[in-house]
Amino acid sequence: KAGVTQTPRYLIKTRGQQVTLSCSPISGHRSVSWYQQTPGQGLQFLFEYFSETQRNKGNFPGRFSGRQFSNSRSEMNVSTLELGDSALYLCASSSGLAGTKTQYFGPGTRLLVL
Amino acid sequence: EDQVTQSPEALRLQEGESSSLNCSYTVSGLRGLFWYRQDPGKGPEFLFTLYSAGEEKEKERLKATLTKKESFLHITAPKPEDSATYLCAVRDNYGQNFVFGPGTRLSVLP
Repeated sequence: KAGVTQTPRYLIKTRGQQVTLSCSPISGHRSVSWYQQTPGQGLQFLFEYFSETQRNKGNFPGRFSGRQFSNSRSEMNVSTLELGDSALYLCASSSGLAGTKTQYFGPGTRLLVL
Repeated sequence: EDQVTQSPEALRLQEGESSSLNCSYTVSGLRGLFWYRQDPGKGPEFLFTLYSAGEEKEKERLKATLTKKESFLHITAPKPEDSATYLCAVRDNYGQNFVFGPGTRLSVLP
């Protein structure tokens, strides 16, 4: 079974721009969660989508948004990029809501904001 | 607010030198405690889920245990390929998301 895939793997943007990251979950998984990982803050939860609905949201500004499509693929958007948004963005999929089933992570998208 | 701390922050072992990593948590009703391994530049890889105090799980050289306030990841006779960052996460009865600890960076020297 193919694992979680994320595209692109690397991205360089400048301040003020916006970016869209994509995540394809494991086949059959309906939950997709997004995380931001930085050396200083560690892994922080952004939001979770289940069956195209946002179920939970972490403490991030409204510049961070996401959506999920009917095939469970998910996208995350960050608008008006700031230098502090440089991070590894990870998505994880699970067969049920993230808190009830094991999450499997993708390789991440490394975003650098200049 | 749920909190997870891990110790030590970093650990260097000689090959074959057994040790334990600690994960201490504060949570409003634990629904699950999770251990992940993360290699540099990669996403976390699932290792174990523990649900109740007294539970233990093993996989190769790794054994995870759980008490009411902490979990231990015991590494027996580690090999250099066990070098990675080990992350602990919890989920409580009310939230639906995970809270991760900062991780322990393990280096096993040949």
